[in-house]
Amino acid sequence: DIQMTQYPSSVSASVGDRVTITCRASQGVSNRLAWYQQKPGKVPKLLIYAASTLQSGVPSRFSGSGSGTDFTLTISSLQPEDFATYYCQQAKSYPYTFGQGTRLEIK
Amino acid sequence: QITLKESGPTLVNPTQTLTLTCTFSGFSLTTSEEAVGWIRQSPGKALEWLALIYWSDEKRYRPSLKSTFTITKDTSKNQVVLTMTNMDPVDTATYYCAHRIQGFFDYWGQGTLVTVSS
Repeated sequence: DIQMTQYPSSVSASVGDRVTITCRASQGVSNRLAWYQQKPGKVPKLLIYAASTLQSGVPSRFSGSGSGTDFTLTISSLQPEDFATYYCQQAKSYPYTFGQGTRLEIK
Repeated sequence: QITLKESGPTLVNPTQTLTLTCTFSGFSLTTSEEAVGWIRQSPGKALEWLALIYWSDEKRYRPSLKSTFTITKDTSKNQVVLTMTNMDPVDTATYYCAHRIQGFFDYWGQGTLVTVSS
């Protein structure tokens, strides 16, 4: 299985801050990576797929980059509604695997 | 508009078999490249992919669970069914079905919490 490791596990930030979350794959996944946002008690929401393609309707302050084993999700200017847990997921090979999540909290 | 909804029991006894149904609309599993997957999330834990079924009836499973899981589809009812045998308390989780696009999941059901306990 491809292991997905996210850094950091949690981060505190303020509204307006720029935040970057990292996801590292245990082996290359090309650009077969997605990012999801999940708020407490809610369903995961696809933000970015194919490493850098913004899902329709997702604000442009979210961006993704990377290829191979190292990927980043960047939120350029945090908004109150962005405080949530973020997960990466690889779709290079079965079984699909998710990272352990990064919790983004209000400072 | 794509929608999915999970249904099934909320409480099962250990060793019992669990059957979850995903009823969807807005797409057809007879269309090339379409697929539906199941993902679960134990309380306070990360997401875990379980299984996937394609329009072609190709099926993929999480290897560690392959012997206990079966995924099937009923295209006439627009449903995907996940059957899990020999349920254990560690299987307590919210189970989601989701529409797959290019390997990723763009539409999700609301999820159904299944508790395994006697």
